[in-house]
Amino acid sequence: EDQVTQSPEALRLQEGESSSLNCSYTVSGLRGLFWYRQDPGKGPEFLFTLYSAGEEKEKERLKATLTKKESFLHITAPKPEDSATYLCAVNQAGTALIFGKGTTLSVSS
Amino acid sequence: DARVTQTPRDKVTEMGQEVTMRCQPILGHNTVFWYRQTMMQGLELLAYFRNRAPLDDSGMPKDRFSAEMPDATLATLKIQPSEPRDSAVYFCASGLGGTSTEAFFGQGTRLTVV
Repeated sequence: EDQVTQSPEALRLQEGESSSLNCSYTVSGLRGLFWYRQDPGKGPEFLFTLYSAGEEKEKERLKATLTKKESFLHITAPKPEDSATYLCAVNQAGTALIFGKGTTLSVSS
Repeated sequence: DARVTQTPRDKVTEMGQEVTMRCQPILGHNTVFWYRQTMMQGLELLAYFRNRAPLDDSGMPKDRFSAEMPDATLATLKIQPSEPRDSAVYFCASGLGGTSTEAFFGQGTRLTVV
């Protein structure tokens, strides 16, 4: 059973069309939830860490939120340069990051 | 500009050959991870080290994979013998303070076994 599930698998947006990506998790004793961005041919790039339900973090057009069962990555007025695969990861005590399979975002102008 | 450095970036090898991938973690980071990425499985943890000691290598096929940290500036992942199913992108990441903090990834080694 997957511990981290991301949806949708792929998302196509027009420039300026806001949307949200979802990451649901089933691990107990969550120590942290992490969002990464991955461009083709590159390694994942760290974006945010969230540690407790209700926490929110923002960076430019991105805002991450966390509840007890899921996290959302909100993208406001996206631009073509926001096109990438967004990965969510969680960890429990004593474990390394467990990744979801990602959402591939395409933003067209 | 602190970053994780992986070599080689690309490797094509024949089935049965030994493959060695190298990683230089960010200076001062005490935790090093090895992940493998495929289209089907996504990012899978192979092994991780803290202060050069292996903490978890349960994701590695033990009969053919081995991971070591000869010193604090070098981590290696070896596959012997390699098989076509090992074809994937292998990432090294490093972090500071254990597993509850963010990990910073290298650019990966794309391995193709023919």
